[in-house]
Amino acid sequence: QSVLTQPPSVSTAPGQKVTISCSGSSSNIGNNYVSWYQQLPGTAPKLLIYDNNKRPSGIPDRFSGSKSGTSATLGITGLQTGDEADYYCVTWDNSLSAWVFGGGTKLTVL
Amino acid sequence: QVQLQESGPGLVKPSGTLSLTCAVSGGSISSSNWWSWVRQPPGKGLEWIGEIYQSGSTNHNPSLKSRVTISIDKSKNQFSLKLSSVTAADTAVYYCARRLGLGYYFDYWGQGTLVTVSS
Repeated sequence: QSVLTQPPSVSTAPGQKVTISCSGSSSNIGNNYVSWYQQLPGTAPKLLIYDNNKRPSGIPDRFSGSKSGTSATLGITGLQTGDEADYYCVTWDNSLSAWVFGGGTKLTVL
Repeated sequence: QVQLQESGPGLVKPSGTLSLTCAVSGGSISSSNWWSWVRQPPGKGLEWIGEIYQSGSTNHNPSLKSRVTISIDKSKNQFSLKLSSVTAADTAVYYCARRLGLGYYFDYWGQGTLVTVSS
């Protein structure tokens, strides 16, 4: 299983908001920045959030990130069917000396 | 705009060596960035394989380290992955990606290439 724990799936209605959690430990999230990626079906991952809460140019402010202790959260508001995708958190693990990914969360917009 | 493009055989025999190349365009591979390999087995999540800096320094996933070789070719602006002693468990889409020098994120990704391990 993954070093970072994410819920396997979340679902909500269009226009609503959702949060996706990413739980780790002091060796990873607790002491390093977290980034988030969106992977639409059949495509490469795309950077959504970096340094816990920063958005790259072109990413709408409907997407937000936060971190508290050894957990991080991705928030998405005003959900659209086009947001249906897998979402991954990533950070560096000091004990493993490796980049670690969460197991991914499949977002369904019903 | 930086672009990355993976290339290599789509089929590798068990116990053989998987070899992939990532061509970088729109920027220099000699810049202060790390160049990574990430893979995704069919229907599963993402797994970091390893990365290389323009100096040749590398970091590897401990679970794969003994089988992985990552190299860089500045003259061709590309970097490569070799994974030895492959099994069916190594069947995956392989992505190359860029990480900014001191950054904790991967900002550019290739489109990915499927490698199947089968006889």
